[in-house]
Amino acid sequence: EAQVTQNPRYLITVTGKKLTVTCSQNMNHEYMSWYRQDPGLGLRQIYYSMNVEVTDKGDVPEGYKVSRKEKRNFPLILESPSPNQTSLYFCASSSGGTSAKNIQYFGAGTRLSVL
Amino acid sequence: TQLLEQSPQFLSIQEGENLTVYCNSSSVFSSLQWYRQEPGEGPVLLVTVVTGGEVKKLKRLTFQFGDARKDSSLHITAAQPGDTGLYLCAGPYPTQGGSEKLVFGKGTKLTVNP
Repeated sequence: EAQVTQNPRYLITVTGKKLTVTCSQNMNHEYMSWYRQDPGLGLRQIYYSMNVEVTDKGDVPEGYKVSRKEKRNFPLILESPSPNQTSLYFCASSSGGTSAKNIQYFGAGTRLSVL
Repeated sequence: TQLLEQSPQFLSIQEGENLTVYCNSSSVFSSLQWYRQEPGEGPVLLVTVVTGGEVKKLKRLTFQFGDARKDSSLHITAAQPGDTGLYLCAGPYPTQGGSEKLVFGKGTKLTVNP
């Protein structure tokens, strides 16, 4: 079954404690991205990756890091989380970017609370 | 600045009613996508519209892309409780680096009451 898997689904942490949210896809997709979803602000892109070892900033990259060492994995790293990073996070993948012919597949989301 | 404006933000209707939600922009998009997101899940693609004036039907859902490719609408006929969810429109937008990113509207939260 084609899927994007995020872990963990729920996470409560404290300010400053480094954390990683993993994302894995089994569709051999080149394009992967991370979004955060906040009430009243909608979905905003954090980082994206066009292929292995190629990453770029989205609209709200501050406070986040990503890496793309393998095609299937695209972890999101918060080196020093702060309360304003409390949000619902989604990983997505597609076969080739954002053009019309590419379907974006989303993970089920990770709800993060930073105390 | 919000590139894609969706309206209404919230919509609560009774089962069997018809409804239309809108996605508007001052920019031209090469395509627009509509997603539905249910609580506790990620967005799922419903349709992509590509040609100005295009109309696509998905059972009781009708999607239209404006002639100028600046707007789109989603019409649901005889809404059912299973249509409840957050409806998002999205489109590719060029970045300064020469690639494209997918931008989303803030969504329309639809509740269909039995």
